[in-house]
Amino acid sequence: EDQVTQSPEALRLQEGESSSLNCSYTVSGLRGLFWYRQDPGKGPEFLFTLYSAGEEKEKERLKATLTKKESFLHITAPKPEDSATYLCAVIETSGSRLTFGEGTQLTVNP
Amino acid sequence: KAGVTQTPRYLIKTRGQQVTLSCSPISGHRSVSWYQQTPGQGLQFLFEYFSETQRNKGNFPGRFSGRQFSNSRSEMNVSTLELGDSALYLCASSLTATGNTIYFGEGSWLTVV
Repeated sequence: EDQVTQSPEALRLQEGESSSLNCSYTVSGLRGLFWYRQDPGKGPEFLFTLYSAGEEKEKERLKATLTKKESFLHITAPKPEDSATYLCAVIETSGSRLTFGEGTQLTVNP
Repeated sequence: KAGVTQTPRYLIKTRGQQVTLSCSPISGHRSVSWYQQTPGQGLQFLFEYFSETQRNKGNFPGRFSGRQFSNSRSEMNVSTLELGDSALYLCASSLTATGNTIYFGEGSWLTVV
């Protein structure tokens, strides 16, 4: 059974203080690892899909990386508007369902 | 380009009633999935449809059902509502069944009283 574990559960940063969120996964064969951002009361907003170990993708202050067992979401010089819950999910090779982690709630203080 | 549209956004139902939620995927997207989000369980997969066929189903009781129409719009139905069905129901769409860019709607907030 696919498993996704995210850490930490919550992270509080000062504006400009860079950090990383972790997503560990167990899947029989990885079709894709997904990162989403979710604001309170809203649906998840798609950020990235990573497919194979060594792959990296960037968007503004966010950079996602992937190894065979985990993914990191690096946040460089965050701003208060980056405050949100960040969700990680996987789809296995033969499947079509996203298996989500519990998310990391990020708060960036000005 | 319009995103995934879900209606209604908010609704309150009484235990024992049934509810139907609607989802219009992004234009051209043919795969639609449904998820339930609760504080305790996180995001849980309900089912997935592609070309009007249910391809995959999550571990939910038979009270949860869905369908997809020829225009790719989808509905999900929950019968005999229970208090524990209170949740945010999210619809997601992708271009194909194996699409790797999956977009979510804003969700339908269901409260069962």
